[in-house]
Amino acid sequence: GAGVSQSPSNKVTEKGKDVELRCDPISGHTALYWYRQSLGQGLEFLIYFQGNSAPDKSGLPSDRFSAERTGGSVSTLTIQRTQQEDSAVYLCASSPPGAQNVYEQYFGPGTRLTVT
Amino acid sequence: GQSLEQPSEVTAVEGAIVQINCTYQTSGFYGLSWYQQHDGGAPTFLSYNALDGLEETGRFSSFLSRSDSYGYLLLQELQMKDSASYFCAVLNSGYSTLTFGKGTMLLVSP
Repeated sequence: GAGVSQSPSNKVTEKGKDVELRCDPISGHTALYWYRQSLGQGLEFLIYFQGNSAPDKSGLPSDRFSAERTGGSVSTLTIQRTQQEDSAVYLCASSPPGAQNVYEQYFGPGTRLTVT
Repeated sequence: GQSLEQPSEVTAVEGAIVQINCTYQTSGFYGLSWYQQHDGGAPTFLSYNALDGLEETGRFSSFLSRSDSYGYLLLQELQMKDSASYFCAVLNSGYSTLTFGKGTMLLVSP
């Protein structure tokens, strides 16, 4: 079946512009996660959705970052007034229902964001 | 909070065995996962340990010692395609999210 998809795969934007990153999780996966990965670094947790609600937004680095999920499926991560330090790969992951499945997350290919 | 320590880089030759260690400090422990990420690719799940001991999946095994707050990933019969970054991750309280380590880059040479 189809895996997690993300779009765009690459995004170059000018400092100060807003960007929207999209994630389509695996069908039936109720949990959805956004991470950020800078060059050569680990995965930095941003936000977690269970259905359409976000019980954990603790990783969002500033109020310029927001995310929503609709229909228990597609999610959009929005970064307003982008800064150069926002340049990174933004990864989305999903996992099937059930707490026992959280440890096995399925990742999308990521969106490489470059802020010039 | 949660923190994990892994070596930044490990090198080995084809056919050899390599062990990638992970130590963690957590407020409560709920499980340790391992992920592989090839350069430019998406992380993929390898294994999970919730209890002490060794879990084997083909050439890869993962070990956990909760008393030592320590785990490792063991890769046997190394192949060139195993060159990648390997991340350990702990399951957070509430069983809802993972905290990842910074990753270990494994370089396999001929």
